Amino acid sequence: GAGVSQSPSNKVTEKGKDVELRCDPISGHTALYWYRQSLGQGLEFLIYFQGNSAPDKSGLPSDRFSAERTGGSVSTLTIQRTQQEDSAVYLCASSFQGRIYEQYFGPGTRLTVT
Amino acid sequence: KNEVEQSPQNLTAQEGEFITINCSYSVGISALHWLQQHPGGGIVSLFMLSSGKKKHGRLIATINIQEKHSSLHITASHPRDSAVYICAVFTGNQFYFGTGTSLTVIP
Repeated sequence: GAGVSQSPSNKVTEKGKDVELRCDPISGHTALYWYRQSLGQGLEFLIYFQGNSAPDKSGLPSDRFSAERTGGSVSTLTIQRTQQEDSAVYLCASSFQGRIYEQYFGPGTRLTVT
Repeated sequence: KNEVEQSPQNLTAQEGEFITINCSYSVGISALHWLQQHPGGGIVSLFMLSSGKKKHGRLIATINIQEKHSSLHITASHPRDSAVYICAVFTGNQFYFGTGTSLTVIP
């Protein structure tokens, strides 16, 4: 079956614009995770969805960031009023419920804010 | 202060050498993960540990909960092991990551 897919693979946007990043998890995976990896930096956890529970948003770096998961499947990470420091690779992963240690990562979306 | 510290940051080894990567953490955890990020960027989950030791092929991971320390060992290293190895801890609702150890294995 297909792995985790993310779109777009690359996104260049102007400072101040809003962007939406999409993640399609593996079918049957009820847990979904968003991470960010800035150039030369380590991974940074953003948010994760566990089944139908409300996500813990404390990892989101600012209130310009929001994430939704519709129907327990596809997730969208939205960044409003993008800033240059938002430039990074945004990674999505999914897993079966409770199996956080068996995350399958998507290829990432490379976001560049000019 | 980072919640997760890894060492070394960079490591070069000759093929066949035994390799150790260390991870120390300062938060209470429910699990510790080792991840591998390939040069192309793809990330693979290697291990999850909450206690003791796990082995998968040439990879061995250990954790000492009291000392808040984990090690990843690679036996008989091979050039295909060249990657960035990342330690991550899960507190129950948050993940914290080390900055990674970049491993290069020379034939």
